[in-house]
Amino acid sequence: AQKITQTQPGMFVQEKEAVTLDCTYDTSDQSYGLFWYKQPSSGEMIFLIYQGSYDEQNATEGRYSLNFQKARKSANLVISASQLGDSAMYFCAMSFMFSGGYNKLIFGAGTRLAVHP
Amino acid sequence: AAGVIQSPRHLIKEKRETATLKCYPIPRHDTVYWYQQGPGQDPQFLISFYEKMQSDKGSIPDRFSAQQFSDYHSELNMSSLELGDSALYFCASSLEPEPTGELFFGEGSRLTVL
Repeated sequence: AQKITQTQPGMFVQEKEAVTLDCTYDTSDQSYGLFWYKQPSSGEMIFLIYQGSYDEQNATEGRYSLNFQKARKSANLVISASQLGDSAMYFCAMSFMFSGGYNKLIFGAGTRLAVHP
Repeated sequence: AAGVIQSPRHLIKEKRETATLKCYPIPRHDTVYWYQQGPGQDPQFLISFYEKMQSDKGSIPDRFSAQQFSDYHSELNMSSLELGDSALYFCASSLEPEPTGELFFGEGSRLTVL
């Protein structure tokens, strides 16, 4: 069965430093997508970055990059030059096709990031 | 750009009452998903629709029902509300149910059951 694991309940980082949030996944599918979402205290779910299972290059979006290691089934999020506004809950998610031929997205438990000045 | 619109943003109900949440997907998106996020929890998949037909069902209680209408908007109906139904309910939409397709989330509807 598909599963997403985020082993870091909480992380602290100093402003302007880089931080890596861990995510491992479990699937036997060949085609899937990996996502990172940011959820600030206000509650909305903000899309950050996406990596397709067939993409050979690691995805990057501004200060966000996804360290995709397919053999290890890991999809860690790297935030460079952390800002105070990065303090939030971060969810790793995986999209896959199930038997009905439709798409489903499952989430990890999340990592709460606190950026200190 | 148009985003996923959810209404109401906040809702307070008493136990045993009924609540209806609405979701308006991004124009031309034909797939809608509903997720429930309890306090301190990750979002849990409830149900999804593709082209107005239910495509998948997750951990949705029998007291809940949902449908997607001809204009692709969706409604989640919750009856006999319980305290444990208090949560943030997200709707998301995508263009075609592809595994590599991005899901666009609404800002969520926060339901509080007293």
